[in-house]
Amino acid sequence: EVELVESGGGLVQPGGSLRLSCAASGFVFSDYYMDWVRQAPGKGLEWVGRMRDKANGYTTEYAASVKGRFTISRDDSKNSLYLDMDNLKTDDTAVYFCGRSVSGSWSNWLDSWGQGTLVSVSS
Amino acid sequence: DIQVTQSPSAMSASVGDRVTITCRASQGIGNNLAWFQQKSGKVPKRLIYAASSLQSGVPSRFSGSGSGTEFTLTISSLQPEDFATYYCLQHNTYPPTFGQGTKVEIK
Repeated sequence: EVELVESGGGLVQPGGSLRLSCAASGFVFSDYYMDWVRQAPGKGLEWVGRMRDKANGYTTEYAASVKGRFTISRDDSKNSLYLDMDNLKTDDTAVYFCGRSVSGSWSNWLDSWGQGTLVSVSS
Repeated sequence: DIQVTQSPSAMSASVGDRVTITCRASQGIGNNLAWFQQKSGKVPKRLIYAASSLQSGVPSRFSGSGSGTEFTLTISSLQPEDFATYYCLQHNTYPPTFGQGTKVEIK
């Protein structure tokens, strides 16, 4: 069974930093692209970014709202995905989900999600 | 960026009703669209991928259709467990964009 478990959320002051982790199990993690998606309180879903697999050079994509402040990485030996968030703003307050995407098929976006971890940015 | 306009933003319906939700993309996206269901306080769950393919384990009362710029999610006979918020996602080009969501409430 596919399982994704996020951790690392918490309260941080504006301008601060935080690292989120996503531990994966139940599938061959190294074969998949992985995404981060967030949801501000009471709001809709917003795609944050993605890291591709080794076969595609571990390249990344980011939403404009986080580009230059957030960095996605992964450690296939630990079946883990990371989101490093710097220069956090109050607008970054949200539940952050990791999601499994694309392995061999472009149609396979976000077929599994973690339970999410809450990031609150406030002074 | 491709804009995705989802309608309606909210609706009231009764058990047994046929429900239709629409997403319109600002430019053609082929069939690169998925539908998700999110119950209050829960994790989003994918229902439909490639515009019309049913995710394994999802009841057959859910169906998706469309291509290009207009897409539809249909629930043929609304069940009590279907009251939730539904989102579409276009993933034809970066950045992928979600619709604003449709909250389906009990009438």
